[in-house]
Amino acid sequence: GENVEQHPSTLSVQEGDSAVIKCTYSDSASNYFPWYKQELGKGPQLIIDIRSNVGEKKDQRIAVTLNKTAKHFSLHITETQPEDSAVYFCAASATGTASKLTFGTGTRLQVTL
Amino acid sequence: KAGVTQTPRYLIKTRGQQVTLSCSPISGHRSVSWYQQTPGQGLQFLFEYFSETQRNKGNFPGRFSGRQFSNSRSEMNVSTLELGDSALYLCASSLPYNSPLHFGNGTRLTVT
Repeated sequence: GENVEQHPSTLSVQEGDSAVIKCTYSDSASNYFPWYKQELGKGPQLIIDIRSNVGEKKDQRIAVTLNKTAKHFSLHITETQPEDSAVYFCAASATGTASKLTFGTGTRLQVTL
Repeated sequence: KAGVTQTPRYLIKTRGQQVTLSCSPISGHRSVSWYQQTPGQGLQFLFEYFSETQRNKGNFPGRFSGRQFSNSRSEMNVSTLELGDSALYLCASSLPYNSPLHFGNGTRLTVT
């Protein structure tokens, strides 16, 4: 089955700096790659997603890039703010539907003042 | 628009018992998926229901089951609870066919 690896497991940046989280996937049939942010005591919240027919997608301070050949995708957060502190998960779907996601192991991002 | 609602938020059960968790999807969403989140195994897919039928299933034993009602609300049941079933159980809803998942805040199950 699909396997998603995520790095780093923890990331500490200063406010205003950029943060980059990287994921690799194993199944070449994967075609949907969402990113979720999970705050303490809450469920994962979708922050951005990308499909395999697109190489890059941006939404304000957040961007995701996808390299299908290398089977990896990355989350970029610019101008980080304290409220960006949370656990971030990447995921991939190989079934043609977005419901059966394989998640990475998560990155705990801490934005310090 | 109200988000995904899961009840109860917390549950404490004893090994060997069974438990039922409930999920109300976002209005208009007909697909409901369930995930288990643990520190050791992370987020794992349990199953997905659409139009009252199980459409996808993860690699969990038969003790884990679910159902969906005609109003799209869903329940999952875990029978013969084991200590390892202690986890955060997350429900997510979506529009059908390749739409993003929207998660609830989960039910925290503790098995003692």
